[in-house]
Amino acid sequence: DGGITQSPKYLFRKEGQNVTLSCEQNLNHDAMYWYRQDPGQGLRLIYYSQIVNDFQKGDIAEGYSVSREKKESFPLTVTSAQKNPTAFYLCASSRELGYTEAFFGQGTRLTVV
Amino acid sequence: AQSVSQHNHHVILSEAASLELGCNYSYGGTVNLFWYVQYPGQHLQLLLKYFSGDPLVKGIKGFEAEFIKSKFSFNLRKPSVQWSDTAEYFCAVTISNFGNEKLTFGTGTRLTIIP
Repeated sequence: DGGITQSPKYLFRKEGQNVTLSCEQNLNHDAMYWYRQDPGQGLRLIYYSQIVNDFQKGDIAEGYSVSREKKESFPLTVTSAQKNPTAFYLCASSRELGYTEAFFGQGTRLTVV
Repeated sequence: AQSVSQHNHHVILSEAASLELGCNYSYGGTVNLFWYVQYPGQHLQLLLKYFSGDPLVKGIKGFEAEFIKSKFSFNLRKPSVQWSDTAEYFCAVTISNFGNEKLTFGTGTRLTIIP
């Protein structure tokens, strides 16, 4: 089955620790995205990547980092610099940036205690 | 920077009522417009999209949306809702402009259908 896999579904971390969220796609899509979803704020773009070895900051990139070493993978690291990391994180991909439908993973709910 | 506004935060309707959810965007150039839906416990999925051509776009499950360029709007409609339409609905936009095609979402509208 083609799609986007995010793991884990639930993640708990202690304050001050970095944590990496996994996102893998087997759709052969060039573009990938990370969004953060908070109640009443919709989806806010953290980082996006148009192609391998290239990525751009979104609207709320502070405290996050990404890499795009392989076409299939776009991991997101939530660093200790992120002031309010507890949230629902969604990964998406599309055939190309902006012009085509984006497909979403099931999300990772991160809780920092 | 482009932005998307959805003014209805929570809409409650009875089954068979008609639905219209508002969506306005802020960019004056060429845009691509989307409506996504998130059913409880499920992935976000595409409901319909507009790139060009007929401004009245039909999507899945009987939904449609009308692009009105002069009003910067892309409202979602359905003539008769069902209980299974209970979900959160997101409007999104990309700008057709090299280097600025990021997909920007509105804050979402939670739709509750009462049987």
